[in-house]
Formats: sequence, C-alpha cells, structure tokens
Amino acid sequence: GQNIDQPTEMTATEGAIVQINCTYQTSGFNGLFWYQQHAGEAPTFLSYNVLDGLEEKGRFSSFLSRSKGYSYLLLKELQMKDSASYLCAVRERAAGNKLTFGGGTRVLVKP
Amino acid sequence: SAVISQKPSRDICQRGTSLTIQCQVDSQVTMMFWYRQQPGQSLTLIATANQGSEATYESGFVIDKFPISRPNLTFSTLTVSNMSPEDSSIYLCSVVPRGTEAFFGQGTRLTVV
Repeated sequence: GQNIDQPTEMTATEGAIVQINCTYQTSGFNGLFWYQQHAGEAPTFLSYNVLDGLEEKGRFSSFLSRSKGYSYLLLKELQMKDSASYLCAVRERAAGNKLTFGGGTRVLVKP
Repeated sequence: SAVISQKPSRDICQRGTSLTIQCQVDSQVTMMFWYRQQPGQSLTLIATANQGSEATYESGFVIDKFPISRPNLTFSTLTVSNMSPEDSSIYLCSVVPRGTEAFFGQGTRLTVV
C-alpha cells in the first residue's frame, strides 16, 4: 500500500511563491504526478517526475527525491487563478498504471 | 493526449435507485480507472476496468455496489447501485494512454436525496 501526505491548506499572496510538499511511502515507485483541480472541475495534469531532480515548466516546478520519498511543487509569481487544490499522486510499478492520490492541498491566493 | 466524454455531468437521484455513468474515450486504452471524490476530499480509486475481464476493485469497494462494464477498448460504465446519501460524490473516469500522465473525464456530480 501507499501513504501519501501533503498539507491540507496553504495561503499566499499574489505575486509570491508557494511550495507544496508531498511525502510518500511506497514499494516499487514508478512516478510521481502533480495535478491542479479547480472547484467543480476535473483534475488537470501539471507535472511528472520519475527521476530525482527538478522539472521546470513555466511558473510551476516540481522536485523529486526518491531516496527521501519526497516531492514538492513550486508555484512562482502566484496569480489569483492559481487558487485551487493541488493533488500529489504516486504510481506503483506492480499496480499497473493506477494512481494513488494524496489528500490534496488547497491553496488560497490573496490579493 | 486523450479526450474522455463522461456523462451524465450531474444527477439528483432518489435513495434506493441506481445510476449508470458512461465514459467514452477517443482512443483505445487497455485500462480505465474509476475514482470517487467525496466533498472536500481527494480522489479515491474504486476499481480498474479491463477489457475482456472482470474489474479489479480496491479495498472497501465491491462489485455488487459498483458493477462495471468494459465492452471494448474505448468505453466503460460504472453503476452506483442501491444508492444512499453517503454515495453523494463526484465520480471520475480516467485513462493513461501512454503510460505516463492520466487524463480524466469531466466528472459526474451525484446527489442522492
């Protein structure tokens, strides 16, 4: 089984930076994903890490350390539209392509 | 990428009845996944639907309550049976067409009264 932990809620100011941490315990790690979900909508893909290091995509970056079972999602130059839930999900090698999701982090961006 | 058409988008149902949710994918995929998202919570996997075999259910979910069909590689249905208010939730189907990112349908918002 898997245990995926992330903070429940974070608040930040428009234009600032927020880092959302995710820790996981799993056997046969085969990738970590970050998704964004606005209220009432389906999750949308943000990033994918399978090797250690930083993946940068515009204002969003994601980092992975497999030895520590740790990832973070970095949101820079925050905009009001970034207010959403951010979901960390892990895929296990032995489990096909199914994803196990953390509880999600609700980010509130204030002006 | 993959485009998933999921319907209905929402429904209000009487307790004791059943609702069938459909997902149609624009490409052939081996596995389709069904998730539930209860209010204010994250996604919980219900089952994995394989074409030509019975679905694989996660702990806490049973076939009698959530029967699944997978008649071909582009289509699947999930039925929520004998509904109670506790089944009020968003139900999402998902596919992983290239073995990397997952794509989701738009979800079905179910309210049981």
